[in-house]
Order: sequence, then C-alpha cells, then structure tokens
Amino acid sequence: EAQVTQNPRYLITVTGKKLTVTCSQNMNHEYMSWYRQDPGLGLRQIYYSMNVEVTDKGDVPEGYKVSRKEKRNFPLILESPSPNQTSLYFCASSFIGGGISYNEQFFGPGTRLTVL
Amino acid sequence: TQLLEQSPQFLSIQEGENLTVYCNSSSVFSSLQWYRQEPGEGPVLLVTVVTGGEVKKLKRLTFQFGDARKDSSLHITAAQTGDTGLYLCAGADNQGGKLIFGQGTELSVKP
Repeated sequence: EAQVTQNPRYLITVTGKKLTVTCSQNMNHEYMSWYRQDPGLGLRQIYYSMNVEVTDKGDVPEGYKVSRKEKRNFPLILESPSPNQTSLYFCASSFIGGGISYNEQFFGPGTRLTVL
Repeated sequence: TQLLEQSPQFLSIQEGENLTVYCNSSSVFSSLQWYRQEPGEGPVLLVTVVTGGEVKKLKRLTFQFGDARKDSSLHITAAQTGDTGLYLCAGADNQGGKLIFGQGTELSVKP
C-alpha cells in the first residue's frame, strides 16, 4: 500500500530535550516536505527536499533541522524544543518527475507534539 | 512572502444548500490545489488546477482557477453531511518547490 508513515504519532516532551520525528514514504517520490498545522493558521511549510541531499527552507524553518540521506526518509529534528513548537506536524511527499508545477502532496497521518 | 487568503474560515449550512469557498492571493501560482482534511488525518488531494481560467468538476464539486492564476474557488452544489470537513487551498511555486497553504475553511453540513 502506498503510504507516508510518521513516528511517533503522539509525543509529549519537555523544553530543551532533543527529539526526532521520522518520516518515510514507499512511493519513490523525489519531493518530501514537513508542515506544521496550528488553529487558524492552516498548514505552514517548515522544510522541503527536492531530492536526496537537497533541502530548502519553507516559511517557518526556525528551530528545526532536516536531512535527506535516503530518498525514502526525511526526518525532522528539533534540537532544543520550546513550547511554541507545540503543534500538529505533517510529513508529505510528491512525484515531481512531470514538473514541479503540480507537486501534489501525499500526506502522512500526522504527529501531535506537545512541548512542556 | 506569498500569502493565500481563504474565506470564509467557518461555514455552517443545511444539507442541500450550495456554497462557495474562495482562495485569493496577489501572487501568481503555477498551480492551485484543493485538499480536504478530516479530524485526526492528513489532508487528501481533491484536485489540481493549472491553466488560467480552468474549471474542473468532481461530482458535486466545481473548482475554478482565475484567469491570472492568482485566485481559485471551490463550489459545492447540494451539500451533503459527508462533505463536512476542513478544506484547504494550496498554491505551488514553480520557481523552487514551495507550497503555500490558505488558512482553511471549516465546513459543517447539518442534516
């Protein structure tokens, strides 16, 4: 089954404790991206990657790191989480072989993060 | 910074009514996508419009891309309770891979 998986699905942590949210896709998609969703703000792009070893900042990259060492995986790293990073996080992937114009996102189920 | 203004943010209607959701920007996008999200799940793509003036229909849903590729609308005819959910528009930037989302429209269709 074609899917994007995220782990963990729920996480409660404390300020300053480094954490990693994993994301994996089995569709051989070139493009992967991380978003955060907050009430009234919609989805905001954190980082995206057009291919292995190629990453770029989205609109809200501060406080986050990513890496793309393999095509299927795109982990999101919070080196020193703070309460304002409490949010619902989504990983997504897309096939851009036909051109970046489409970039139709296939989303994971989300990770709800609470930073105390 | 590119922005997509989506309206209305909340919409509560009776089954059988029609509705339109708007997505507006001052920026030109290479494509405009519409997603639907249910509680506890990730958004699911409904449609992508690419050409200025394009109209696409998905059963009772009609999507339109503005001539200048800066705005889009989603029209639902004879809404059903199963249409309830969060609707999101997203603009694709063909320069570098960014995707800009609107704030979303929370639709509630009552029986």
